[in-house]
Amino acid sequence: GENVEQHPSTLSVQEGDSAVIKCTYSDSASNYFPWYKQELGKGPQLIIDIRSNVGEKKDQRIAVTLNKTAKHFSLHITETQPEDSAVYFCAASIGVSGGYNKLIFGAGTRLAVHP
Amino acid sequence: NAGVTQTPKFRVLKTGQSMTLLCAQDMNHEYMYWYRQDPGMGLRLIHYSVGEGTTAKGEVPDGYNVSRLKKQNFLLGLESAAPSQTSVYFCASSWGGNQPQHFGDGTRLSIL
Repeated sequence: GENVEQHPSTLSVQEGDSAVIKCTYSDSASNYFPWYKQELGKGPQLIIDIRSNVGEKKDQRIAVTLNKTAKHFSLHITETQPEDSAVYFCAASIGVSGGYNKLIFGAGTRLAVHP
Repeated sequence: NAGVTQTPKFRVLKTGQSMTLLCAQDMNHEYMYWYRQDPGMGLRLIHYSVGEGTTAKGEVPDGYNVSRLKKQNFLLGLESAAPSQTSVYFCASSWGGNQPQHFGDGTRLSIL
């Protein structure tokens, strides 16, 4: 079946450094790629998303890049802060019967930012 | 400003018991979803709904049933709970299948 692979599973950085999380997807028809941040005891929260007609999108310290040919997309966090510590999930949309779409999630990356 | 609300937040069941998890959204979203989250496995889709009165199976539907009688509510049922169903369950909603999903804060379910 369709899947999304996410790497690394854990990432430890010093405050102020950059962090990069990478995902690959299998369905060439995927056209929507969101990223979620999950803090302890909470549900995932959307932090940024990108669609297949765009190669890069930026929102302050967060950016996402998409390479459709290689079927991979990445999350970049610059100038990391302790409050960036959380679990991050990538996802890709896939088509299902009836013309609908749903999301397939990666397994998550636990980011720790040390002061 | 509630968004997606899940009840209960915690529950402990014995094997073989049944229960229903409730999800309510106030954003008038068409799509609703139930996921389970287990360590190292991310979010796996159990069932979803593309509109009132509709339901469809996700990746891991066995042992669960759902109903969407009202647009704002999506119920997840466990008819005969098993220890393998110990997990954190998340409900989400969205305008469409490739639109941002809004998540509740989860229900932590333990089955002994």
